[in-house]
Amino acid sequence: GQSLEQPSEVTAVEGAIVQINCTYQTSGFYGLSWYQQHDGGAPTFLSYNALDGLEETGRFSSFLSRSDSYGYLLLQELQMKDSASYFCAVRGYPGDSNYQLIWGAGTKLIIKP
Amino acid sequence: DVKVTQSSRYLVKRTGEKVFLECVQDMDHENMFWYRQDPGLGLRLIYFSYDVKMKEKGDIPEGYSVSREKKERFSLILESASTNQTSMYLCASLDYRGRNTEAFFGQGTRLTVV
Repeated sequence: GQSLEQPSEVTAVEGAIVQINCTYQTSGFYGLSWYQQHDGGAPTFLSYNALDGLEETGRFSSFLSRSDSYGYLLLQELQMKDSASYFCAVRGYPGDSNYQLIWGAGTKLIIKP
Repeated sequence: DVKVTQSSRYLVKRTGEKVFLECVQDMDHENMFWYRQDPGLGLRLIYFSYDVKMKEKGDIPEGYSVSREKKERFSLILESASTNQTSMYLCASLDYRGRNTEAFFGQGTRLTVV
């Protein structure tokens, strides 16, 4: 089957750095995306990696290693507003059974003052 | 700046009722999706559509059907609502053209079946 594994919950301190990991096992792979969802809200797009390496967008960075089927989201200078759930999602190639996005179960990030 | 709109934010329906959830996107996306989200289970795909009148079953299609008569509108239908369909329902649209892959979500419909 196809699956994405990410921790269910991560706790960190305001101002610190936190890394949320995602490992995937899918029949095809075209890219790895990250989404943020606040309680009661809809998921919003954060980043997308199609190639190995690090992509940086402000305080958030996302990393991908296709050979390890692994990626992570790195959040720096944590703020209380970063408390949310974070989802990784894999997109397959056109024609793959997972051409639509396949989602991880989400990681709840708890930030303490 | 609204891109994906769901017809209702909250709905309460009775067991056995036929329920319609509507979703409209204004980005000319070909692909639209219906998910349900339950605590600890993430996003589970019910149905998706890659073109007008085209639909594909997702992971949990039982008890649901969909309709896509126009490109911008994707409807989810609960033929006979049951209490185990109480959930948050999220609609999304996506454009696979180009390198990026950003799904846009509606605000969600929290459905309670009593």
